[in-house]
Order: sequence, then C-alpha cells, then structure tokens
Amino acid sequence: DIQMTQTPSSMPASLGERVTISCRASQDISNYLNWYQQKPDGTIKPLIYYTSTLQSGVPSRFSGSGSGTDYSLTISSLEPEDFAMYYCQQYDSSPYTFGAGTKLELK
Amino acid sequence: QVQLEESGPGLMQPSETLSLTCTVSGFSLTSNGVGWVRQPLGKGLVWMGTIWAGGSTNYNSAVQSRLSISRDTSKSQVFLKMNSLQPEDTGTYYCARHTRGYGNYDYFDYWGQGVMVTVSS
Repeated sequence: DIQMTQTPSSMPASLGERVTISCRASQDISNYLNWYQQKPDGTIKPLIYYTSTLQSGVPSRFSGSGSGTDYSLTISSLEPEDFAMYYCQQYDSSPYTFGAGTKLELK
Repeated sequence: QVQLEESGPGLMQPSETLSLTCTVSGFSLTSNGVGWVRQPLGKGLVWMGTIWAGGSTNYNSAVQSRLSISRDTSKSQVFLKMNSLQPEDTGTYYCARHTRGYGNYDYFDYWGQGVMVTVSS
C-alpha cells in the first residue's frame, strides 16, 4: 500500500496568515492526489482533486501543487471557517490511502 | 441536490456482523459509484471499498475477507456488511459518492454525515 505522510500533524495559525500543509507519498503517485477538509462536526468535503484542480464552490484562497512524491495544500489567507482537519488522499493505486491529517488550529 | 445518509445500529457485539445502509438522493447509482470510508475514533480516514456504477466492487485488501458492498438501485441504497467485528472496528462510517472520469480525476465529491459504530461487549 502507498503510505501518505502529512506534515505537520497540527499547526497553530492566525487569521489572515498564509499556511502550507505538506503530503509525501511513499512512491511516485503521478499527481493522483486529492485534498479534503473535515470540520469538528464530522462534515467532510473535497477541496482539490488531481493535485491542483479546485472543487466547485471552494474559495480561491485554497490551492494545491506538487509532483512525484511531494504535494502541498496552501491557504493564502486564513478565514475563521478554515480551522479544521485536512487530509490528503492518493488514487494512484488501490487501496486508496489517506494521510493521517493536519489539524489547523487558531493560535 | 446530492445527498447521502448513513443508517445502522450504533452498538455491536464482538464477532457480530455489521449492516449499514447508505440512502442517496440527487443522483443515480447507475451513473455514479459509492464508497465507504471509516474513521477510527480520533484517527484518520480509511477507504474500505466502492461499488461502481456498473455494479462491480473494489475492496481494501485489509478488510476484503470480511466485507461486502451491494446495492438496490430501485431504492437508491447501498449496503455495507462486515462480519467478525472486533473492538478495533469502532469508529465513524461514512458513505461518499465516488466520482471518476476522463481528465484523470477520481475522488469522493459528496459525503454523508457519518454513523458512529461502537463494538463492545
């Protein structure tokens, strides 16, 4: 199985700050990488698919990049509703696997 | 609009068989896949399996021997059955629409709210 390593596991940040979450795959996943957001009430929604394509309705302050084994999610200016858990997920090969998550916390 | 809703028993005994239902609306099961993803308490997400629009299934090898996913298209329902439950199967179980197509995309674009399952004697 492809292992997905997310860093950091938690990140204190301030409103308006620019933050970047990293995700490293245990092998080349050819850009087959998605990002999801999970709110404290458990609600999950997709943010970005295929490394950098923004899901419809997601604010443009979210962006994704990367290639090979290294990928990142960037939020350009944190809004109050952005404090949540974030997960990367690869779909290069079965089984689909997720990173352990990054908790974005208010500093 | 697209909606998915999980239902099932909240408390199970070890060795029992778990049965969950995902009722969908706003799309057809013959046009889209539906996957199951679980989240152990306080931990990350784990894909369990998907039933595709054509009715075929793919399972995570970690649970494949215990898992079965099926559907009733007339009722817009997808079913998960997992036997030989153990306490480590405790967690929240989500169903999600599994969308993929040309252009290299393959992702879970709509999620249910999840159903909590506790396995304990």
